[in-house]
Amino acid sequence: AQKVTQAQTEISVVEKEDVTLDCVYETRDTTYYLFWYKQPPSGELVFLIRRNSFDEQNEISGRYSWNFQKSTSSFNFTITASQVVDSAVYFCALSNRRGGKLIFGQGTELSVKP
Amino acid sequence: DTAVSQTPKYLVTQMGNDKSIKCEQNLGHDTMYWYKQDSKKFLKIMFSYNNKELIINETVPNRFSPKSPDKAHLNLHINSLELGDSAVYFCASSQDSAGEWEKLFFGSGTQLSVL
Repeated sequence: AQKVTQAQTEISVVEKEDVTLDCVYETRDTTYYLFWYKQPPSGELVFLIRRNSFDEQNEISGRYSWNFQKSTSSFNFTITASQVVDSAVYFCALSNRRGGKLIFGQGTELSVKP
Repeated sequence: DTAVSQTPKYLVTQMGNDKSIKCEQNLGHDTMYWYKQDSKKFLKIMFSYNNKELIINETVPNRFSPKSPDKAHLNLHINSLELGDSAVYFCASSQDSAGEWEKLFFGSGTQLSVL
């Protein structure tokens, strides 16, 4: 069975703080893909990153960075120097095959206060 | 230009009615999907179509019927609406090629409220 767990339901930080959103996944497949999506208050889902199971290199994109560790089945997302515009619900997701069946975590609602 | 567009954005209706949600993508993608987001923000796939062919049907009640007249459109028709159908429905699309199929582009969602 595949499962994605985002244990943090809500996180509240003050602007400029760093914040890490946790994601733990379960799968028996050797080939799989991990994702992060952002859902701002306006409601749309915005793709942030995709990682395949063979690439454990961490990735940095501006203030965003992702730490993929197969040994702990985790794919954590860090926002450095958070801003109010980062306030959103963030979803981690897992997929193992073509067809786009993404298994989503429960989401973490991040609130960045000025 | 909106890549994946859904209409309507809001839909309020009575129990027992039949309603449709339309989705169109102008990205030239091969695959389209419907996802449902419940009141607790939980997202779950309902259907996926690849070049008008049904690929995934995730134990969705028969009252939900997707229709894909061409690969740029995937509409969702719901018969005999029930209170529990109230949710946000997202359409999405992706390109069916190596390295791209798993990158989904989502529409802005349709908030369905059944009274």
